[in-house]
Amino acid sequence: DAGITQSPRYKITETGRQVTLMCHQTWSHSYMFWYRQDLGHGLRLIYYSAAADITDKGEVPDGYVVSRSKTENFPLTLESATRSQTSVYFCASSDSQGLSGNTIYFGEGSWLTVV
Amino acid sequence: QKEVEQNSGPLSVPEGAIASLNCTYSDRGSQSFFWYRQYSGKSPELIMSIYSNGDKEDGRFTAQLNKASQYVSLLIRDSQPSDSATYLCADLNTGTASKLTFGTGTRLQVTL
Repeated sequence: DAGITQSPRYKITETGRQVTLMCHQTWSHSYMFWYRQDLGHGLRLIYYSAAADITDKGEVPDGYVVSRSKTENFPLTLESATRSQTSVYFCASSDSQGLSGNTIYFGEGSWLTVV
Repeated sequence: QKEVEQNSGPLSVPEGAIASLNCTYSDRGSQSFFWYRQYSGKSPELIMSIYSNGDKEDGRFTAQLNKASQYVSLLIRDSQPSDSATYLCADLNTGTASKLTFGTGTRLQVTL
């Protein structure tokens, strides 16, 4: 029961480099989400996807790109990393949008440091 | 901008006591509310959800919702050291593409 997995778990990169964080879920959940978590800001939604080939912006999408060619994968790409993108990134999935007690399941997180 | 507000803490309670965690929200359209627990270095996990005014109990946990006051709380009875974590409040407004909005979390410390 792999659930939802993220890779890499830890990454150090340089300013200006492109970085891709991978997210894979084995439940065939329709909805997938990318959040970032920073001290003092809590969890903020970057992008979400309702199904394969359907994505939409969240609260803080600037500087990020997502794709969803397959239901189980939802990679997040930082096109040109900046120090302000140093954060913990959580991928999550749900078989609904979170209504009626349907749980949103989080991956273990990816710690990204941009130097 | 719709917000969910929480006191960052830390909230310190002795073992066996009741811990009371509070949350206010600004979006009157919010319909569902969630409490997540997050241990240091770990991902959030759902512990309670509540949709109707009043209380909802699950074991040692009770969630309380007052939509008129836009207030949600989580009570933890017989607090244990293992309850020490950050508790995140979140709300869901189906009118905004059903995206969860999280508070910044309250850190709870249960002391021996």
